[in-house]
Amino acid sequence: AQKVTQAQTEISVVEKEDVTLDCVYETRDTTYYLFWYKQPPSGELVFLIRRNSFDEQNEISGRYSWNFQKSTSSFNFTITASQVVDSAVYFCAHGGGSNYQLIWGAGTKLIIKP
Amino acid sequence: DTGVSQNPRHKITKRGQNVTFRCDPISEHNRLYWYRQTLGQGPEFLTYFQNEAQLEKSRLLSDRFSAERPKGSFSTLEIQRTEQGDSAMYLCASSGEFTTPEAFFGQGTRLTVV
Repeated sequence: AQKVTQAQTEISVVEKEDVTLDCVYETRDTTYYLFWYKQPPSGELVFLIRRNSFDEQNEISGRYSWNFQKSTSSFNFTITASQVVDSAVYFCAHGGGSNYQLIWGAGTKLIIKP
Repeated sequence: DTGVSQNPRHKITKRGQNVTFRCDPISEHNRLYWYRQTLGQGPEFLTYFQNEAQLEKSRLLSDRFSAERPKGSFSTLEIQRTEQGDSAMYLCASSGEFTTPEAFFGQGTRLTVV
């Protein structure tokens, strides 16, 4: 069955440090998507990025970068030069099948201290 | 269109009462999802609509739960005879077709059953 594991329950760093959030997944789908969402204290889930299973190209968007490796079933998320506004819970999710139902990890709470 | 809208934002109800939540998806999205999230957990899938058809329901969705999307636009989620265990954040999301499978979420309805 599909499963997403975010082993880091909580990470705390000082502002401007780089931080990597880990995500490992299990899937039986041959074609699938992986997602990262951010949930700030306000509660709304904010879409950050989608990767297709057939595209292992890494992606950088400003201070955010994502490393997708099918060989290790991982989709890690790095924030460079972290800022206090990055403090939130970050979720990794797997979507597949015909309905793209999302299977979520338990989330990693990221605390950026000033 | 400003995104997915959910009403109400908060609902406090007495055990045994019925409650109904509404979700207005992004207008051009034909897929609509309901998720439930409890504190410290990732969202859990409840049900999925493609246009007006409810195509999948989670086993989490007991007989007390019912969802509709009558004209393929807005959706309602009703919980009958609420129980304290129903207390959670109920999230609605919508997404487009194959090329844009990422789901965009509303701000959620926080239900408290007392």
